[in-house]
Amino acid sequence: GEDVEQSLFLSVREGDSSVINCTYTDSSSTYLYWYKQEPGAGLQLLTYIFSNMDMKQDQRLTVLLNKKDKHLSLRIADTQTGDSAIYFCAESSTGGGNKLTFGTGTQLKVEL
Amino acid sequence: GAGVSQSPSNKVTEKGKDVELRCDPISGHTALYWYRQSLGQGLEFLIYFQGNSAPDKSGLPSDRFSAERTGGSVSTLTIQRTQQEDSAVYLCASSFDSQGAGEQYFGPGTRLTVT
Repeated sequence: GEDVEQSLFLSVREGDSSVINCTYTDSSSTYLYWYKQEPGAGLQLLTYIFSNMDMKQDQRLTVLLNKKDKHLSLRIADTQTGDSAIYFCAESSTGGGNKLTFGTGTQLKVEL
Repeated sequence: GAGVSQSPSNKVTEKGKDVELRCDPISGHTALYWYRQSLGQGLEFLIYFQGNSAPDKSGLPSDRFSAERTGGSVSTLTIQRTQQEDSAVYLCASSFDSQGAGEQYFGPGTRLTVT
């Protein structure tokens, strides 16, 4: 079955860039997503990338996809304390109703 | 416009009782998804609806779990004879449809505690 892996923790200083990595195994993945979850809150969709793209930029967020290695990353430029949260990558396949398979989540801590 | 809403936000129940969790999707969204988030298992897919039909129920953990959707809108997830391992946050999401990018928007979740 599908498997999505992420490192559990990342700590960065305010103003630095954060890079959160994700690997997946399903070669039929069509879309790959990044979600943010703040304490006690639901999941917020940050951005997504279609599998035939290798990069997508949206303000401070840059998503890089290496389809050959099945590796996805999320770069947050100029990280702020408000970016402290858990970040989940997820994949879906068309034909599967777009149900999401989530990674384990990476807890990002931004220090002053 | 309103986002996805879920009720109740918190539910404490005794082992063996039945519970019903409700999800109100974004108006006009035809696809609705249920997920579960627990410490041991992370975020898991349970079931999804396209309209009132459930093409994929593969994530339901046992036959104690069922869900329905009526009028292409509200969905109810029912857990019968609750067990302690059912304790989790149950998340509902909706999307415009179940094709294409299918961006899913999540509700705040229902935290279920089985004592």
